[in-house]
Amino acid sequence: SYVLTQPPSVSVAPGKTARITCGGNNIGSKSVHWYQQKPGQAPVLVIYYDSDRPSGIPERFSGSNSGNTATLTISRVEAGDEADYYCQVWDSSSDHRGVFGGGTKLTVL
Amino acid sequence: EVQLVESGGGLVQPGGSLRLSCAASGFTFSSYWMSWVRQAPGKGLEWVANIKQDGSEKYYVDSVKGRFTISRDNAKNSLYLQMNSLRAEDTAVYYCARSGMAAAGTFDYWGQGTLVTVSS
Repeated sequence: SYVLTQPPSVSVAPGKTARITCGGNNIGSKSVHWYQQKPGQAPVLVIYYDSDRPSGIPERFSGSNSGNTATLTISRVEAGDEADYYCQVWDSSSDHRGVFGGGTKLTVL
Repeated sequence: EVQLVESGGGLVQPGGSLRLSCAASGFTFSSYWMSWVRQAPGKGLEWVANIKQDGSEKYYVDSVKGRFTISRDNAKNSLYLQMNSLRAEDTAVYYCARSGMAAAGTFDYWGQGTLVTVSS
């Protein structure tokens, strides 16, 4: 089955840039979606189809995907960005299953 | 406004059954794939199952195949998850999520979740 690998944690100072990676075999050939989840809340879509932003998501959030790594980039990080972030793809080679990465805890110092 | 409201969670003994429901509103329910995603306490997200617009295609994570059944009633704008032979490892918050008009869509709207606890 397809596996997505994320770093467990990323720390960044306010105003700096955070980059959260999502590794997978030839992930560049798949569409990657990113979700933000704050404690006690449901996940929220922040990036879809590698780099598109839903309405209401700040331009500070961007995404890229190439080779074996997809990246969520958060520019000018704010305290309110502190959350868990998950990448997600569909594994069409395996009965069309959804796959999530293990999640990355973003800490704003 | 898109709304997804789950219900049916609770405490159940190992081996027991539970049926979750998700009431959808604010969009044309019959036009979208729908999914269930769960999150065990303190753990990450896990996709559980999804179902095509007309119910003709259903897919499951291996760990629930043969025990869980996803279904929908487009006339009632409702999604269901019948869970049988429940195990302790099924303990989680279960989220209903809209998953696009295409098979490989994105989870663009989520419910607030319903907690299922499997314990004796």
